[in-house]
Amino acid sequence: GIQVEQSPPDLILQEGANSTLRCNFSDSVNNLQWFHQNPWGQLINLFYIPSGTKQNGRLSATTVATERYSLLYISSSQTTDSGVYFCAVSVRGAQKLVFGQGTRLTINP
Amino acid sequence: ETGVTQTPRHLVMGMTNKKSLKCEQHLGHNAMYWYKQSAKKPLELMFVYSLEERVENNSVPSRFSPECPNSSHLFLHLHTLQPEDSALYLCASSQDGVAGLHFGPGTRLTVL
Repeated sequence: GIQVEQSPPDLILQEGANSTLRCNFSDSVNNLQWFHQNPWGQLINLFYIPSGTKQNGRLSATTVATERYSLLYISSSQTTDSGVYFCAVSVRGAQKLVFGQGTRLTINP
Repeated sequence: ETGVTQTPRHLVMGMTNKKSLKCEQHLGHNAMYWYKQSAKKPLELMFVYSLEERVENNSVPSRFSPECPNSSHLFLHLHTLQPEDSALYLCASSQDGVAGLHFGPGTRLTVL
């Protein structure tokens, strides 16, 4: 099956810093999503981005489908950005998302 | 997010107990999912229901039994679980495929 690798596994930054999270996947996908899981376990859908670039406030994401990777950018980090960021993909015809292992982001005040 | 609710939020059970997890979605979606999140492992898909019909069963042991009585409700019935089944169980819903998946807050299960 398709493999999803995220890097780095852990990232610790000071408030106000910028960060880039990466997701590599092993096969062509028709669906790629980024999620944020807060410290209480709630998963929030950030972006549906199988290709191209999207922005939402301080967050933006870019997927280069032909090179099989996606990047999530967080600018001017806040402590509330802390948590685990997951990338998840699915292939054409599949009704399941395959998740990466996540990047644990800690923003210190 | 309150579009998908789960109860209970925390559950501690012995290996001989029978319990059920409940999920309800208020988004008008037509597909519902159970995911398992264990420590140090990626989220694992357990079951998918589309239009109340099970379309995916990801090699889950029979001690986990799902039920989807209608498009808004999903249950996970548990019996004779093992300590390694301790995990966060997440319910999700979507409309017409997995794009735009909405997760509930999860049930944190501990099996003693």
